[in-house]
Amino acid sequence: DVKVTQSSRYLVKRTGEKVFLECVQDMDHENMFWYRQDPGLGLRLIYFSYDVKMKEKGDIPEGYSVSREKKERFSLILESASTNQTSMYLCASSSFRGGAGQPQHFGDGTRLSIL
Amino acid sequence: AQKVTQAQTEISVVEKEDVTLDCVYETRDTTYYLFWYKQPPSGELVFLIRRNSFDEQNEISGRYSWNFQKSTSSFNFTITASQVVDSAVYFCALRWAAGNKLTFGGGTRVLVKP
Repeated sequence: DVKVTQSSRYLVKRTGEKVFLECVQDMDHENMFWYRQDPGLGLRLIYFSYDVKMKEKGDIPEGYSVSREKKERFSLILESASTNQTSMYLCASSSFRGGAGQPQHFGDGTRLSIL
Repeated sequence: AQKVTQAQTEISVVEKEDVTLDCVYETRDTTYYLFWYKQPPSGELVFLIRRNSFDEQNEISGRYSWNFQKSTSSFNFTITASQVVDSAVYFCALRWAAGNKLTFGGGTRVLVKP
């Protein structure tokens, strides 16, 4: 089974702090994704990466950056946390192999509160 | 642009009732994929099913069934004889065949009461 592991389930930080959310997958997947989930808005894509050191902006990249130095790890960085970034953050991964349409597999999520 | 609409925000049923979740999508692409995910209270999104745009066969997996109708751009999901463990938020999602990005609907919260 695919395992996507997010470093924290709950995190509390202060406004202005630099925040790192870590995600690791164990299935050698090429693609990795970061989403945020807010009530009534569903999941919105922040950034994704299709290879090491490659990244592409999603729908809501403002205020975030990402890092992918190794294939299995994808980090989301809040450069200067703000209260409107309080949310549930979900990491996902998927494979190129098997053709298009491979499902994304998700981690348990990190519930981040910015005070 | 792609869009997925789940008009039902919350559905409440009593155990053993059937429940149908609606999903309507918009895309200009001729080749695409549709997905359903389940998010239990624990938070993890669990993949349930994938359907490509060329396969309109309905599918049944245990108490779950899916009805894909391209003519109405709908991909509805039915839980038969619901159980308390089915209580979760269910998301429908769409992906263009040549892209990586999933477009999610807003989700439908299902509450199954004993």
